[in-house]
Amino acid sequence: GAGVSQSPSNKVTEKGKDVELRCDPISGHTALYWYRQSLGQGLEFLIYFQGNSAPDKSGLPSDRFSAERTGGSVSTLTIQRTQQEDSAVYLCASSFAELGEQYFGPGTRLTVT
Amino acid sequence: TQLLEQSPQFLSIQEGENLTVYCNSSSVFSSLQWYRQEPGEGPVLLVTVVTGGEVKKLKRLTFQFGDARKDSSLHITAAQPGDTGLYLCAGGSGGSNYKLTFGKGTLLTVNP
Repeated sequence: GAGVSQSPSNKVTEKGKDVELRCDPISGHTALYWYRQSLGQGLEFLIYFQGNSAPDKSGLPSDRFSAERTGGSVSTLTIQRTQQEDSAVYLCASSFAELGEQYFGPGTRLTVT
Repeated sequence: TQLLEQSPQFLSIQEGENLTVYCNSSSVFSSLQWYRQEPGEGPVLLVTVVTGGEVKKLKRLTFQFGDARKDSSLHITAAQPGDTGLYLCAGGSGGSNYKLTFGKGTLLTVNP
């Protein structure tokens, strides 16, 4: 079956612009996660959605970052007024339940010039 | 803040050699996961260990969770070029077990 998909696969943007990154989770998965992977920094938790519960936004690094999940399925991560330090691979994962195995998408490589 | 330290950061070996990768923390984790990530792809879960002292084997890979649940190791026997990749450990804790803490990874290269 289809795995987690993310778009775009690569995004180059100018400093100060806004970007939107999209994640399509595996059908039927109720939990969705966003992570950021920077060179030499490992994966950093950003935000977690589970069903209709309020999302856990504790990992978002600043108020320039926001995410939403519409209809319990597709999620969009928005970064406003991008900075060079936002350059990283943004990974999305989904799981069948809160503590289920997380299946990762291939990521979106964001480069801020 | 919980941290997971992985070592070594880089490892380059010849096909057929054995290797061990370590994941250490000063914090206790309720579970420990190992992932492998290949270039341009997301991490793929290899194993989850939840009990102190637990040992799990997956073909040529052996995973161990420390007795105190603060550290873990991954041992690969007779490495093959297909084992090449970034190996990541991740710990879950308490009520927010979904919020994984990842190590920075060990980049393994197995040369034919």
